[in-house]
Amino acid sequence: QVQLQESGPGLVKPSETLSLTCTVSGGSISSSYWTWIRQPPGKGLEWIGFLYSNGSTNYNPSLKSRVTFSVDTSKNQFSLHLNSVTAADTAIYYCARDVRLTGYSSGWYEIRAFDIWGQGTMVAVSS
Amino acid sequence: DIQMTQSPSSLSASVGDRVTITCQASQGISTYLNWYQQKPGKAPKLLIFDASNLETGAPSRFSGSGSGTDFTFTISSLQPEDIATYYCQQYDNLPTTFGPGTKVDIK
Repeated sequence: QVQLQESGPGLVKPSETLSLTCTVSGGSISSSYWTWIRQPPGKGLEWIGFLYSNGSTNYNPSLKSRVTFSVDTSKNQFSLHLNSVTAADTAIYYCARDVRLTGYSSGWYEIRAFDIWGQGTMVAVSS
Repeated sequence: DIQMTQSPSSLSASVGDRVTITCQASQGISTYLNWYQQKPGKAPKLLIFDASNLETGAPSRFSGSGSGTDFTFTISSLQPEDIATYYCQQYDNLPTTFGPGTKVDIK
């Protein structure tokens, strides 16, 4: 079964770039959508964006100016880069599979869900 | 962005009780709504997709209903292992957004 594992530094200095990698095991990263979500300590979930295995991306407008995703299909990995971080970026960062099902029933529809999640990695922004 | 609200923000119920959580969207989202369970210290887990479809492997005591702006998530008989925070998520419009969560505890 497909499993996801986040990796990266647990501490980043303010104004620097936060970089995390998600490794996909038990299946191929190809032909699927993948997403990043974060959760500040004790708070709710915020969607950061998604990418497709061909490298196309869609970012949350609230973070769009600071975030970049990349994919390495040879390593079955995708990555998140968030620049100019502040304390407000302190959070648990999750990667997840963004599964989609498209069909037609009196109109086209697309069911979407985050069906497989990594365990999450805590990143603190502090000097 | 579509705003999601949930009520109550927390609840305490006895084992075996029927538990209901509501989720409301700031505009109509058809049935493009999912429910997740997050246990303390763990990643969220998908329980219900497309408002009413039970994810494979999820216990049948979990169910969902609704369309448009108003949705309901139900645990038919609360079990000790259901202690968690439950989130709704809309995916009708990007950015996809989550509700603030409902924390469920055992009385």
